[in-house]
Amino acid sequence: RKEVEQDPGPFNVPEGATVAFNCTYSNSASQSFFWYRQDCRKEPKLLMSVYSSGNEDGRFTAQLNRASQYISLLIRDSKLSDSATYLCVVNIGFPGNQFYFGTGTSLTVIP
Amino acid sequence: ETGVTQSPTHLIKTRGQQVTLRCSSQSGHNTVSWYQQALGQGPQFIFQYYREEENGRGNFPPRFSGLQFPNYSSELNVNALELDDSALYLCASSLYGTAIYEQYFGPGTRLTVT
Repeated sequence: RKEVEQDPGPFNVPEGATVAFNCTYSNSASQSFFWYRQDCRKEPKLLMSVYSSGNEDGRFTAQLNRASQYISLLIRDSKLSDSATYLCVVNIGFPGNQFYFGTGTSLTVIP
Repeated sequence: ETGVTQSPTHLIKTRGQQVTLRCSSQSGHNTVSWYQQALGQGPQFIFQYYREEENGRGNFPPRFSGLQFPNYSSELNVNALELDDSALYLCASSLYGTAIYEQYFGPGTRLTVT
């Protein structure tokens, strides 16, 4: 069973649309959660950390549901520049510090 | 830019050889993690170094080893290279001890094993 499951997509949406990604994790001891974006053949870049109470950064909103063990990312008013692969990440602190990435969800925003 | 640097950018090796990849962490960070990313996959956690010791390890065989130096830079060593080791190798630096463990990635080293 994978530690992190993510719908690979692809998601193709028109400019201005709202799109949501979900990610489920299997280890209830997971302690930190993140969303990264990765452009083609580039390194992942931190988009936002996911706080227990949920958090928002401009057009981006992240939510954490510990009871159901999933995290979500909502992108409002999609821009062409949002086209990328979105990766969810889970940190488990014991035993040893470990990080698990999802396989990524591909988003293409269409003019 | 994150301030995390990696060298070399690209590398071609032959099966059975050994390779060393290098990473310099972002100023103020004390922890380095290494990842392997195959084409079309998410990064796979190899291990993390903190205070010059391995602080966590993913599901990789012992031929993947590492070092961290007093200046927090790090090396990833891979012995007895296999064709499946061809991938993008990423390092990420972070500050251990913070509540939220944010990592910042370098540009990666693309390794091809022939």
